[in-house]
Amino acid sequence: QQQVKQSPQSLIVQKGGISIINCAYENTAFDYFPWYQQFPGKGPALLIAIRPDVSEKKEGRFTISFNKSAKQFSLHIMDSQPGDSATYFCAATRSWGYQKVTFGIGTKLQVIP
Amino acid sequence: DAGVTQSPTHLIKTRGQQVTLRCSPKSGHDTVSWYQQALGQGPQFIFQYYEEEERQRGNFPDRFSGHQFPNYSSELNVNALLLGDSALYLCASSSTGQGSYEQYFGPGTRLLVL
Repeated sequence: QQQVKQSPQSLIVQKGGISIINCAYENTAFDYFPWYQQFPGKGPALLIAIRPDVSEKKEGRFTISFNKSAKQFSLHIMDSQPGDSATYFCAATRSWGYQKVTFGIGTKLQVIP
Repeated sequence: DAGVTQSPTHLIKTRGQQVTLRCSPKSGHDTVSWYQQALGQGPQFIFQYYEEEERQRGNFPDRFSGHQFPNYSSELNVNALLLGDSALYLCASSSTGQGSYEQYFGPGTRLLVL
């Protein structure tokens, strides 16, 4: 059962463009939604996270938009750079109790010059 | 401040063998979670250790077991290895004692089963 659905699985964006990755979740017990960035040969690194009481969170060029009623959230990377080329995972977890992180399938982003 | 460390970085085993992977959590963290990441997939939760006890387990068989030591470091053991166990094994640490739920991942151990 895929509790966090992520799309697209691959994305090619030109330098300076906007990269958009979408996710949807099913379990309404989730109340913390992190995004992870993973480079080849490395572990996932926490990029940015949001809670459902906030509709948008921005950190530098990275913005998360959250739609609680639709159970959807998305990552926007503004002014995408070749150094942003990596695999991005959306995830969901509970901030209380036992906190296993449920990941999406991942989006492989390639930013071309 | 050292982050999460894992050893070894790479490992090659044959079917039926047993393997032990090790993890040291980030300084100040007391909780360790293990994940399996197959090629082209997102990490899948194996189990979580806190206060030297397994407190939550994902959908993995009993061949997967673990341990947490008093210094919060942890081991993942896999018995009777199958070809399908080939994956990147990730350790993540967090701080239950400080009420923090953010998990920080190590670089992983790449296991190849032949």
